[in-house]
Amino acid sequence: GNSVTQMEGPVTLSEEAFLTINCTYTATGYPSLFWYVQYPGEGLQLLLKATKADDKGSNKGFEATYRKETTSFHLEKGSVQVSDSAVYFCALSDPMNSGYSTLTFGKGTMLLVSP
Amino acid sequence: DSGVTQTPKHLITATGQRVTLRCSPRSGDLSVYWYQQSLDQGLQFLIQYYNGEERAKGNILERFSAQQFPDLHSELNLSSLELGDSALYFCASSVEGGPLAGTDTQYFGPGTRLTVL
Repeated sequence: GNSVTQMEGPVTLSEEAFLTINCTYTATGYPSLFWYVQYPGEGLQLLLKATKADDKGSNKGFEATYRKETTSFHLEKGSVQVSDSAVYFCALSDPMNSGYSTLTFGKGTMLLVSP
Repeated sequence: DSGVTQTPKHLITATGQRVTLRCSPRSGDLSVYWYQQSLDQGLQFLIQYYNGEERAKGNILERFSAQQFPDLHSELNLSSLELGDSALYFCASSVEGGPLAGTDTQYFGPGTRLTVL
């Protein structure tokens, strides 16, 4: 079945540092890949997505590139802010293979940014 | 604001009881999904409805059931509650949600936090 593996957190950074959160996936089809963010006490918000190999999703300074050869979708940001502190979830959806568009999530990575 | 609403925000109940969680999807979305978020299991898909019909089932216990009404809102019913059912329950919605959904994006509500004492 499908699965998503994320690096364990928490990731602790100082403001303006470079961020990488690793995500790899296993899927039998050609999934779409997503990053969601969950701020404290809130629901999940879509951060970015990519739907085919070599696509780059980007939003609010965050980027991730769909790498089919390494089955990866690592999240990066050049300069983090305190307001980026949250839990980040990598997820995939494989509707063409499974018949359903349900999301399979990684366990989440907590990011803590200090001033 | 995603446009997905969930009520109640918090729910505290006792073991053995039954509760109902409610979700209203974004305007125009036909699919509703339910997810459970717990510390030990992470985020797990429970069930999906599309335009009133059950479309996909995940790790949903037999004590749990859901339905989607003609106005497209959905309810998740949890019965014979156990301590281990304490979790955050999220509803999400999307436009389509089937094999041809392609890049269909799911939008999440703020969640209902269930505490079983």
